[in-house]
Amino acid sequence: AQSVTQLGSHVSVSEGALVLLRCNYSSSVPPYLFWYVQYPNQGLQLLLKYTSAATLVKGINGFEAEFKKSETSFHLTKPSAHMSDAAEYFCAVTSQGGGNKLTFGTGTQLKVEL
Amino acid sequence: GAVVSQHPSWVICKSGTSVKIECRSLDFQATTMFWYRQFPKQSLMLMATSNEGSKATYEQGVEKDKFLINHASLTLSTLTVTSAHPEDSSFYICSARDRGQSNYGYTFGSGTRLTVV
Repeated sequence: AQSVTQLGSHVSVSEGALVLLRCNYSSSVPPYLFWYVQYPNQGLQLLLKYTSAATLVKGINGFEAEFKKSETSFHLTKPSAHMSDAAEYFCAVTSQGGGNKLTFGTGTQLKVEL
Repeated sequence: GAVVSQHPSWVICKSGTSVKIECRSLDFQATTMFWYRQFPKQSLMLMATSNEGSKATYEQGVEKDKFLINHASLTLSTLTVTSAHPEDSSFYICSARDRGQSNYGYTFGSGTRLTVV
């Protein structure tokens, strides 16, 4: 079975500050990991994904994440927060043997303050 | 890029009626589509996985007779909520996996807000 844990259901940062959203995974096989963003009443937009290539993954809108096997982590970061980054962020996991199903974390609501 | 169109974006229906939600992959073939349900301020819960031309696989606890899924073509899957009740009110999201992508390309629809009154 696979799972992801997102620490912190709510994160608040100042505009221009570092964004760090935490995600830890559990998987008995090599995982594929994803970060998605969701704006109110909308679907999910892919920010980035790790599929066993480079461990440091760069995504859209200045976000990046690093796959750390030793820590079973895939934290999402952005050097400088923008007001438009305020949204819900979901970490998800799947694997080759996972039936292609994505398992989502509980989400982190990011608030960006002036 | 890959686009998934989900329609309608919102719908209000009376209790006891049925509602159909469509999910179309516009510029790619989707052998597999997924249907999720999301309650307010919560994560996405997978309801079922549908493969083109075969019966959907439902997650434990999801009533297959209530949530009918049809995946008749490589670009269209539908979810029909039958005899809807207020507790079925939720945000439903579909996702399609691009047949042509080997590295797990999942594209999500924009969601459907269902309100049963």
